[in-house]
Parts: sequence; structure tokens; C-alpha cells
Amino acid sequence: TQLLEQSPQFLSIQEGENLTVYCNSSSVFSSLQWYRQEPGEGPVLLVTVVTGGEVKKLKRLTFQFGDARKDSSLHITAAQPGDTGLYLCAGRPFSGGYNKLIFGAGTRLAVHP
Amino acid sequence: GAGVSQSPRYKVAKRGQDVALRCDPISGHVSLFWYQQALGQGPEFLTYFQNEAQLDKSGLPSDRFFAERPEGSVSTLKIQRTQQEDSAVYLCASSLTSGDYNEQFFGPGTRLTVL
Repeated sequence: TQLLEQSPQFLSIQEGENLTVYCNSSSVFSSLQWYRQEPGEGPVLLVTVVTGGEVKKLKRLTFQFGDARKDSSLHITAAQPGDTGLYLCAGRPFSGGYNKLIFGAGTRLAVHP
Repeated sequence: GAGVSQSPRYKVAKRGQDVALRCDPISGHVSLFWYQQALGQGPEFLTYFQNEAQLDKSGLPSDRFFAERPEGSVSTLKIQRTQQEDSAVYLCASSLTSGDYNEQFFGPGTRLTVL
């Protein structure tokens, strides 16, 4: 069974702080995605990383895919209250031939003004 | 343009009742996925359709769960004889093709509560 473990589960910080969320697995994935989910809504895709060692930046968010394609991190610089939400990582296994996703349990982030 | 829609948004069922959850994917999207999200957890894959063909139902937890997409567009997830452990948010997602790295667009989910 392929599992993705996210840490920390919960994070409560003040506006302006930096933070890093981790997503780890013992399995190799062909790609990894990060989603953000608001209460009462479905997850919304933030980024897809495909190549081992790849780094992608999206404004104040930096995403990294591990060299071995087993882990990923999300770093947020100068967090703002609008960043509050549930952050989910999702890996795509090599098998299947379609875009089946394995999700982690998520990191619930609260940014206080 | 319209995104993925799901109905009902909330469903309360008594244990033992049958329920049907509907998903309207984005028009023209070939792939359709159902996920189950328990409280405090990430979504878990249930089943996958490519057009009307159900290509993977490995995630369905029991034979009480049944999904269909008869005309390759709207899909229905049916749960027979609901149990309390079926309480969760059921998410539907669609993507344009079945190819690699295609973005999945998620609906808002149906929150099912079984009493």
C-alpha cells in the first residue's frame, strides 16, 4: 500500500512567519501535487512537480520534489491570514495508466493576524 | 464556465437506508473520479471512469457501494444499506483526458451523515 504522510498535522502561526510542510513516503511517485482545501469545498490544485529535485515557486509558496521522488515540501514565506486552510499532498503512482491520486491526511494551517 | 457540481450537498440517512449521490462533471471531460474523505483525513480513491467505462473500482469499500456513468457524463454513486462508518464527504473530480498529469477538478462534495 502506498502511503503519504504529512507533517505537521496542525500548524498555528502568526502573520508574517515562515513555515514548511512535509510530505513523505517510502514509495516512489511519478509526480506529486499539492492542493489547498477550504471548508465545504473540494481541493484546488496549487502545483504539480514531476522531476526529482524540481523546485517550483508560486508567489510566496515554494514547492520541492525530493531527488528520489518519495517526498516533497511546501514552504510559505511571510504567511498571511488568507493562507489559512488544509494543505494536501497527492502522489500519482507509476502504475494505472491514468491519473489516480494517493492523498496524504493533510496539514491544517491557521495564520492569525 | 461551470465547474464540477454535486448534489445533494448534504444528506442525512438513517442506518440501513439507500442513498444516491450525483456528480455533474465539467462538460467534455473524459475522466471521472470518486473519492471518500473522512473527517480529518485526506480524500481516498474509490473508483474511476473513462467515459462510460468503469476502469477501476478497487477503492470501493464493500459491495454496498456501486457507481455508474451510463452516458459518459453524469455519474451516480449509490450506497446501499448505509452504515455509520459510511459517514464522510464524497468528492467527485473530473479531468479532460486520461493522460498523465491532467489536472483533476473537484466538486464541493456531498457530506453524508448516517445516524
